[in-house]
Amino acid sequence: QQQVKQSPQSLIVQKGGISIINCAYENTAFDYFPWYQQFPGKGPALLIAIRPDVSEKKEGRFTISFNKSAKQFSLHIMDSQPGDSATYFCAASGSSNTGKLIFGQGTTLQVKP
Amino acid sequence: DGGITQSPKYLFRKEGQNVTLSCEQNLNHDAMYWYRQDPGQGLRLIYYSQIVNDFQKGDIAEGYSVSREKKESFPLTVTSAQKNPTAFYLCASSITPGNKAFFGQGTRLTVV
Repeated sequence: QQQVKQSPQSLIVQKGGISIINCAYENTAFDYFPWYQQFPGKGPALLIAIRPDVSEKKEGRFTISFNKSAKQFSLHIMDSQPGDSATYFCAASGSSNTGKLIFGQGTTLQVKP
Repeated sequence: DGGITQSPKYLFRKEGQNVTLSCEQNLNHDAMYWYRQDPGQGLRLIYYSQIVNDFQKGDIAEGYSVSREKKESFPLTVTSAQKNPTAFYLCASSITPGNKAFFGQGTRLTVV
């Protein structure tokens, strides 16, 4: 019930392409879904987040799509750049688990020039 | 500058030693968290605190201890009971539980 499953584990995309990372959750009480970007040796940085009252949120080249009925959400990176090469984590939290963030396993993205 | 400061960046522990990792925030956040990161395993919650003088165990609390005597500070002690402590440790905070969480830059702990 507390798991967040993330796929794929790794992803290689050409420069200018679209990167898509998917996550699925089980706990219907989750009400906050952030995505984090992490570079090697650094702490994760909040990229974009969504709450279940909307189905999509866009910030620059980054878009979250949210499907409440399927209990899935995804990150789309448009016009992917080599500087986007990093590890991406989805997460979920809600009042039922006292606000603890539950993380997916991570996706390592490589954008080839 | 507001943010979360973890120290030290690198830490080496001998077998049987306790070590303490520091986490300080000046964001006036109520909630603070400690996560452990191992390669290919994502982030796992060790302990979290929603308010001063209160904290709860996360998923992997065995061999760790924390305190929350001040709002700004949430130190993590890795005790000798933690049999496999080599990992990257991350501290985070959020203004209230379930809201945006901000991370420090991490402490890499190695057993020598």
